[in-house]
Formats: sequence, structure tokens, C-alpha cells
Amino acid sequence: DAGVIQSPRHEVTEMGQEVTLRCKPISGHNSLFWYRQTMMRGLELLIYFNNNVPIDDSGMPEDRFSAKMPNASFSTLKIQPSEPRDSAVYFCASSLTSGWTGELFFGEGSRLTVL
Amino acid sequence: AQSVTQLGSHVSVSEGALVLLRCNYSSSVPPYLFWYVQYPNQGLQLLLKYTSAATLVKGINGFEAEFKKSETSFHLTKPSAHMSDAAEYFCAVSGVQGAQKLVFGQGTRLTINP
Repeated sequence: DAGVIQSPRHEVTEMGQEVTLRCKPISGHNSLFWYRQTMMRGLELLIYFNNNVPIDDSGMPEDRFSAKMPNASFSTLKIQPSEPRDSAVYFCASSLTSGWTGELFFGEGSRLTVL
Repeated sequence: AQSVTQLGSHVSVSEGALVLLRCNYSSSVPPYLFWYVQYPNQGLQLLLKYTSAATLVKGINGFEAEFKKSETSFHLTKPSAHMSDAAEYFCAVSGVQGAQKLVFGQGTRLTINP
């Protein structure tokens, strides 16, 4: 079975450029999460969706960040304009709400470097 | 609000020795507690979970954890470390209500010495 698929795995860009990270959740899962991991702040929940609807975006750092989930099989996290402090590994995770067991299924992450 | 504190950002043990990774939680509601493991350049994967059933929970790869309400702790142990256990370990908590929002600790990097 395919797991959570993220792309790109690595992205190097210059300050001010737009960055789009993509995620395909596990088929049948109806919750999707975006996390950011840095050495200084650890794992931070940015936003999560349930049935394609954003439920909690309180972790989104600022207006430069936006996330969408146009359908059950695709989500994007966009940073515009990017800044060096956005450099991090961004993880997407999915889960099934019904009978939730506590397990989030993580993708392998997108490592972003903003120069 | 829920939070977790992992004591020790880096733990080093010898192969075959006991592994003990510490986690204390704070929660205003009965918590669900989790340990996740992250191998280099990979995402996190669930190691074990406590969801208000047995207080001693067993997970994959010989790990187990005990929920102690009086100590607000959920420490992770393994009797005998193996080289393949080298990874970063995260404790996480969620409230029973709206359960899916997990709050992770800062992580503990486990190093195994030959």
C-alpha cells in the first residue's frame, strides 16, 4: 500500500521566491496534517484538515503561509514570499477519523532550504 | 491544553543495556499518549500508544511504556538496546476530545554504543 507521498523531497530556493509543497494522503484517510520540524522548535503542527475542511490553522506562522485541500487526495502548503527562517523539514501526515487509534501516518518530508 | 516534556535531548547507551526515555505530560483532560520514532531522513512512525486501557503498553521492536497518572509520566523502556534502535523518539499527547491534534515533545535522540 502506498503511504503518504510528499513532493518535492528537497527544495532549495532563494529568499522571496514562492514555494509549494505537495502531499497525497493515504487513500481513504479523511484527516490531513501539516507539521514543520526544526532544530530550535521541534515538531510544530501548522494546520489540519478534516474532510478537506481546515479545522485548526492556529499554528500557521503568518500570512505568508497558506494551505489548501481541494480534494480528498491532495493538499498543498504554500509559502510566499519565502524567507531563510522558513528553512525546515515539512511533514504531511494523514489519518482516519472514524475509530481513530491515535496513529498518524507521516510522509518522508520535504526539506526546504531558503537562501 | 496539553503539553509534553521529554527529559534529555540526547541519551546514549551501550548495546544490550537498558533504554529509558523520559516523558512527562500535562493535560486538562484524560490524555491519550504516544511514542513515535523517527529514523534518519524518514517521517515519524507510531511505536506505541496509551488510550485509557492497560497502563503498561507494549509496542513494536520490544519497546514498552507505563502510564503513571500520579507522576504524570509515560516513560519509554526497552530491556536490551540494539544498534538498530538508534533514532529520535518523540512523546506526544492528545486530549480525548478532538483527539487527532497531537502535541509532540522536543524529541530525544538515542545513540547506541557498540
